[in-house]
Parts: sequence; structure tokens; C-alpha cells
Amino acid sequence: QVQLQESGPGLVKPSETLSLTCTVSGGFISSYYWTWIRQSPGKGLEWIGYIYYSGSTNYNPSLKSRVTISVDTSKNQFSLKLTSVTAADTAIYYCAREEYGDYSHLDPWGQGTLVTVSS
Amino acid sequence: DIQMTQSPSTLSASIGDRVTITCRASQSISSWLAWYQQKPGKAPKVLIYKASSLKGGVSSRFSGSGSGTEFTLTIRSLQPDDFATYYCQQYKTYPLTFGGGTKVEIK
Repeated sequence: QVQLQESGPGLVKPSETLSLTCTVSGGFISSYYWTWIRQSPGKGLEWIGYIYYSGSTNYNPSLKSRVTISVDTSKNQFSLKLTSVTAADTAIYYCAREEYGDYSHLDPWGQGTLVTVSS
Repeated sequence: DIQMTQSPSTLSASIGDRVTITCRASQSISSWLAWYQQKPGKAPKVLIYKASSLKGGVSSRFSGSGSGTEFTLTIRSLQPDDFATYYCQQYKTYPLTFGGGTKVEIK
């Protein structure tokens, strides 16, 4: 079955760019929304945005000015960049697949990766 | 954004109890609601989508109901593996939004 795995630095300095990659195995990046979500004690679960395999994207307006999600279908990966990070961006970051439409839900999820913003 | 409010935030229950968690949306979301279970150190796992459709492989002790702005997740006969935090999530409009969670603890 499809599995997702996040990778990237666990520590990012304030004002720098957070970069994470999600590798999809057991299936191909197609026909779903490939999604980033984060979870912090202060803000709970927060949807960051998604990318469709064609490259179209949709971002949370609260983060839109700082977020870029991209896809590399040849590597079966999609990526997240979040610029100008602050301590408020410290969270566990998850990638997930959204089955969109009437029966939409997020499944599966990656195991999550903790990103701490600190100097 | 559509705000999702869950109650209670914490619930203490015993093995075998019937447990009900409520989720309210700040506006009508029809039946566009999913429920997730999260255990410590793990990612959320979907239980139910479209308010009442059970995800394949999920125990039939879980059921969902509701439409519009009020929804419930019911766990029939609570088992040790069910002690976890539960979240609702709307998908009527983007951004997708989640409830604050309900932690089900052992009484």
C-alpha cells in the first residue's frame, strides 16, 4: 500500500527557510491532492496546502505568502518550503494524501517530522 | 475559515463504556466531515468520512452521525486500544480545518 515519509532538517534558524520533502512509495503521485499539515501544541492541526500531480496548488491563506509546495513526479516526491520562519513555525510536519471529492479524507499520513525553529 | 469546535476536550471512560464526542461547525458543512484517531507519537488515522462512512479496516465499534453543523462520533464498548485523541475535520471548503481534539482517557 502507499506509504509516505517526510525528510529534512529538524532544526531551522529564525528568518531562514524550512524545507521538507515527502517521498511516496508503493504507488505513484497521481490523481490525489498531496498535502502538508502541521501540528503544534498551540495551534493544533493546521492544513498548510496541497499540490496536484499536474502542479496546481492550493495554500492556506494564513501561510500563503510564505509557502511553496512543489512536486517531482520522476522521483515520486513532493516538497514544502516555508520562508522567514519564526518560533511559531515550530511543529511536527506531516505529509498526507487527500482523496478529494465527496468522500474526501486524508489517508495515508507520513509519520511526521519535528521541526524546531531556534538559533 | 470554518471553525470546528469539539466537546468535551477530555473524556474519562472505562473499558466497555459507550462514548460520544461532539463536533460543531461554525457554518453548515453538509456531511463533509471526517474523524481521525491519534495516538501519542503517531500520525492521525482516518476513521470516518462523509460524516458516517466507516473507513475500510476500521472497527465497526466506531460510528459517526450528523449533518449541517452538528456531528457526533460514537465508540461502542470502549476497548484499551481506543484510548487516544480524536479530531474532526471539515472538507466543505479550503482551508481544511480541524477541531481542537478530544482526549479519551482511562477512568
